[in-house]
Amino acid sequence: AQKITQTQPGMFVQEKEAVTLDCTYDTSDPSYGLFWYKQPSSGEMIFLIYQGSYDQQNATEGRYSLNFQKARKSANLVISASQLGDSAMYFCAMRESSFTGANSKLTFGKGITLSVRP
Amino acid sequence: GAVVSQHPSWVICKSGTSVKIECRSLDFQATTMFWYRQFPKQSLMLMATSNEGSKATYEQGVEKDKFLINHASLTLSTLTVTSAHPEDSSFYICSARRDTQFFGPGTRLTVL
Repeated sequence: AQKITQTQPGMFVQEKEAVTLDCTYDTSDPSYGLFWYKQPSSGEMIFLIYQGSYDQQNATEGRYSLNFQKARKSANLVISASQLGDSAMYFCAMRESSFTGANSKLTFGKGITLSVRP
Repeated sequence: GAVVSQHPSWVICKSGTSVKIECRSLDFQATTMFWYRQFPKQSLMLMATSNEGSKATYEQGVEKDKFLINHASLTLSTLTVTSAHPEDSSFYICSARRDTQFFGPGTRLTVL
């Protein structure tokens, strides 16, 4: 079974509107961390936001927020006030063990392409 | 965020030659670095975990004799693709772990 699932096809959003990118995960580890990265056409992976499994509140970083629903095992990324520069590939990733331990590998989802329309 | 660099950013080589890619953490020491490979329009696949001062840990299906990893210092890990073939053409990305993983800009390898 896939550990990180991103099933949305290419997403389109109008500039200045909000968009939600879906991510579900599967783990039996009670301690884990969830990440979202942005990959523009240049190829670099840009860290956006992090949510630990024990965090009580949803993570927020500027225009990015993470809608963490632990019981449903979902960690959707919400981008508010979309900008043209948000057009990119977005990857959800999980690290099993939310603490920095020896097992700190990231498992990535397949990614979602987001296109922001002017 | 932390800064991780990779060199070269792109390389074209002939089949059968070896290519070395460097990954450096510029503003922090990284005992652990990771090497990923990404084919076009696909996700990142972890190849190996590079540990400073010890042998790398390879993921299942990754040939350790073909993809040589050396992590000789706390700021440098190298990936050498030996006897490269066209099917090794890919985008190779490294990351260095501090509190989270910070990625290098990637190296695009084309093997002719």
